[in-house]
Amino acid sequence: DAGVIQSPRHEVTEMGQEVTLRCKPISGHDYLFWYRQTMMRGLELLIYFNNNVPIDDSGMPEDRFSAKMPNASFSTLKIQPSEPRDSAVYFCASSWARGGAGEQYFGPGTRLTVT
Amino acid sequence: AQSVTQPDIHITVSEGASLELRCNYSYGATPYLFWYVQSPGQGLQLLLKYFSGDTLVQGIKGFEAEFKRSQSSFNLRKPSVHWSDAAEYFCAVGAIGYGNKLVFGAGTILRVKS
Repeated sequence: DAGVIQSPRHEVTEMGQEVTLRCKPISGHDYLFWYRQTMMRGLELLIYFNNNVPIDDSGMPEDRFSAKMPNASFSTLKIQPSEPRDSAVYFCASSWARGGAGEQYFGPGTRLTVT
Repeated sequence: AQSVTQPDIHITVSEGASLELRCNYSYGATPYLFWYVQSPGQGLQLLLKYFSGDTLVQGIKGFEAEFKRSQSSFNLRKPSVHWSDAAEYFCAVGAIGYGNKLVFGAGTILRVKS
């Protein structure tokens, strides 16, 4: 398997623009997680899905952030409008329900810079 | 609430020396424990995991970790560090009933001096 795939790897945008990050989980995995990593806050869980259904979005910072998972092989994280404080590395990870607590496999991340 | 503590933000060791990175957790259920490594500009890579059984687990790249329930610890060790081990290391914990969520520690940055 190719692992978790994220695109784009780098995104530079201006404040106020819409940003869409994409993720393809590992085939057969039924959990998908979106994280944000910054120097100040470390690794934060934003939202996660089970069988394409959002389970916990309590980590989504504001209404400007939204995430979807239309099918088992694709998810998006959208920021609209973007702000400079959204600059971070965004990771997608997937796992399968190994009796309820499986290891997560991470993608390479998308480095977002909002100017 | 669940929490993971990695007491050391930075650790510097000499190449060839032994390494131990500390991890303590607070969890209300039987924990599943993980160590991840992140090299600069990369995603997190799973080093090893503990679910049950033998409390000493072996991972990739020559790493091992020992689960000590009485101390709520899961420390990562390597007998001889290589310069390529310089990276950030994250301890994480999960449990049945928590929806495959993992709680991550803040990370320990390892520097290797030659």
